[in-house]
Amino acid sequence: QVTLRESGPALVKPTQTLTLTCTFSGFSLSTSGMCVTWVRQPPGKALEWLALIDWDGDTAFSTSLKTRLTIAADTSKNQVVLTMTNMDPADTATYWCARSFTSTGPFDEWGQGTLITVSS
Amino acid sequence: QSVLALPPSASGTPGQRVIISCSGSSSNIGNNNVHWYQQLPGTTPKLLIYRNNERPSGVPERFSGSKSGTSASLVISGLRSEDEADYYCSVWDDSLSGPVFGGGTKLTVL
Repeated sequence: QVTLRESGPALVKPTQTLTLTCTFSGFSLSTSGMCVTWVRQPPGKALEWLALIDWDGDTAFSTSLKTRLTIAADTSKNQVVLTMTNMDPADTATYWCARSFTSTGPFDEWGQGTLITVSS
Repeated sequence: QSVLALPPSASGTPGQRVIISCSGSSSNIGNNNVHWYQQLPGTTPKLLIYRNNERPSGVPERFSGSKSGTSASLVISGLRSEDEADYYCSVWDDSLSGPVFGGGTKLTVL
C-alpha cells in the first residue's frame, strides 16, 4: 500500500523559510523513473506544480518560483524535503506531495495535504 | 494564467453527457500525454484519466479521455450528482521543463 504524508508548520510568518517534509511508504524513490513532486493550491484557486525530484536525484522547478525553492531526498528515510524561502501571504495554500513513475506523470498517489498559512 | 486553457465552469443534468476541453500548444499537449484529475469539494485531487485515454483501476467507464493535436477532452457520460467537482488537465511542458495544470473546470450537476 502506497502512502504519502506531508508535514510542516501550519503557520509561517512573512519572509520566513518554509520547510515541508513528505514521508512516504510502499515504494522506493530509488526505483528507476520514480519521482516525488510537490503541488499547491491557494484557497479557491487552481492547482500549481512546484517542484519534483526523481530517482536519479535530478530536479525540476516551477519557472516562476525556482529562485525560492529547493528540493532534496533522503532515500534512507523515504523522505523528500521542499524548502521555500521568503514566504508571503500569497503563498498561503494547501501543499501536497505526490508520486509518479516518470517525470511526465501522472501523479497517481497523493498525500492528504497540509494547509500552510502565511501571516504575521 | 495557465498555459492550458480550460473553461472555468461546465454543467449538465443527471444522465447527460458533458465534455470538458483542454487547449494547449505544441510544447505541451501536442507533444506529451495528458492526464486528468478530479477534485471533489474539500478533498485531495484524484487521478481520473492518464496518458490521454487510460482509466486507473476503479474509475467508472463513463469517464473517458481523448487527445487531438494540441487539445484534449474529458468526456463524462451518464452524469451523476457525485460527479460535481473540479476537473484539471495536466501535461508536461517541454518549454517550461515541468508539468503544468489547467486552471480547473468546476462541474455543476443541475
